Amino acid sequence: DAGVIQSPRHEVTEMGQEVTLRCKPISGHDYLFWYRQTMMRGLELLIYFNNNVPIDDSGMPEDRFSAKMPNASFSTLKIQPSEPRDSAVYFCASSLAGNDSPLHFGNGTRLTVT
Amino acid sequence: GNSVTQMEGPVTLSEEAFLTINCTYTATGYPSLFWYVQYPGEGLQLLLKATKADDKGSNKGFEATYRKETTSFHLEKGSVQVSDSAVYFCALGTNAGKSTFGDGTTLTVKP
Repeated sequence: DAGVIQSPRHEVTEMGQEVTLRCKPISGHDYLFWYRQTMMRGLELLIYFNNNVPIDDSGMPEDRFSAKMPNASFSTLKIQPSEPRDSAVYFCASSLAGNDSPLHFGNGTRLTVT
Repeated sequence: GNSVTQMEGPVTLSEEAFLTINCTYTATGYPSLFWYVQYPGEGLQLLLKATKADDKGSNKGFEATYRKETTSFHLEKGSVQVSDSAVYFCALGTNAGKSTFGDGTTLTVKP
């Protein structure tokens, strides 16, 4: 099993540009999560999906952020327009259903907005 | 609502020292409890878990026991190594799908 795959690993962009982060979850998993990690705020849940349907997007910071899951094997997180305060590591994770199922994290995308 | 409180870090130990990282939780229902570890430049990965009261999770010399009476899930290791240096997260999971994470504790082990 290849695990959760995220791309790109690193992204450097200028303020105002659109950024798209990509995630391929583990095949067969029911849930997909997008997290953001910074030194100041720690690990924050942005949004999560169950069977491709968004369940809770209350963590999405602003309308500049949007996430989609068009099918069971792909999800995107888009920031438009990007701002320097969006600089962070963005993680995608997936899991099976059930409270005893752990999250499987990708290695993250490190985003730098200048 | 659900919450997880972890011992504040950072924690610095010498090699072969005993490690304890405290974790307490507040939850409705019957959550499962997890410890995750994050090495530099990587995502979080599962270290161990326990799914019901009095269960003990263990892996790589680490242990934690699900204590319902004290709502705790403290992480312990008898003899840490330099390679254990990482950030450790306590978390709880519910049937609603969403996990609740603690703030993380940074462990540095010096030779």
